[in-house]
Amino acid sequence: DVKVTQSSRYLVKRTGEKVFLECVQDMDHENMFWYRQDPGLGLRLIYFSYDVKMKEKGDIPEGYSVSREKKERFSLILESASTNQTSMYLCASSLGGINEKLFFGSGTQLSVL
Amino acid sequence: QQQVKQSPQSLIVQKGGISIINCAYENTAFDYFPWYQQFPGKGPALLIAIRPDVSEKKEGRFTISFNKSAKQFSLHIMDSQPGDSATYFCAASGSRLTFGEGTQLTVNP
Repeated sequence: DVKVTQSSRYLVKRTGEKVFLECVQDMDHENMFWYRQDPGLGLRLIYFSYDVKMKEKGDIPEGYSVSREKKERFSLILESASTNQTSMYLCASSLGGINEKLFFGSGTQLSVL
Repeated sequence: QQQVKQSPQSLIVQKGGISIINCAYENTAFDYFPWYQQFPGKGPALLIAIRPDVSEKKEGRFTISFNKSAKQFSLHIMDSQPGDSATYFCAASGSRLTFGEGTQLTVNP
């Protein structure tokens, strides 16, 4: 089975801190994604990457950046955390193609105080 | 701008009943419609998916009904069980996947 591992289950940070969320997949998938999940808003795409060192903005990229230096690892960076970035962050990967099945990690619940 | 609208937000069903979750979309370029199921503490997982060239797809107790002219699709869970209690997300894809708001389903024993 594909495994998508997110480094932290819970994270508490202060406003203005730089925050790194890490995600690793073990199945040599081409595509990796970062979503945030908020009640009543569903899953919203922040950034995605279809190849090493490649990245594309999703629907809500403001305040975030990403890094993909290796195929298996995709990092989400909050340059200066704000309280409105308190959310559940989900990483996902897929093999390739637009409509391939997404495999999600278990999520990181980030609280910004 | 929510391109995929999902309802209801929450749903309570008795064991053995039918659960129905509805989704509507706007973009006629969407050509792939998956449903994801999420249990507490876990990430979403693909449950079932349909393409617009068919009107219905069934996998076990789960059925997607698709109405292309109305731009609507729905998930039916037959003989609902307490183990089906989860959050369900519909989604639609053209160049990228867009998710609905989610439905929290509770199946009472």
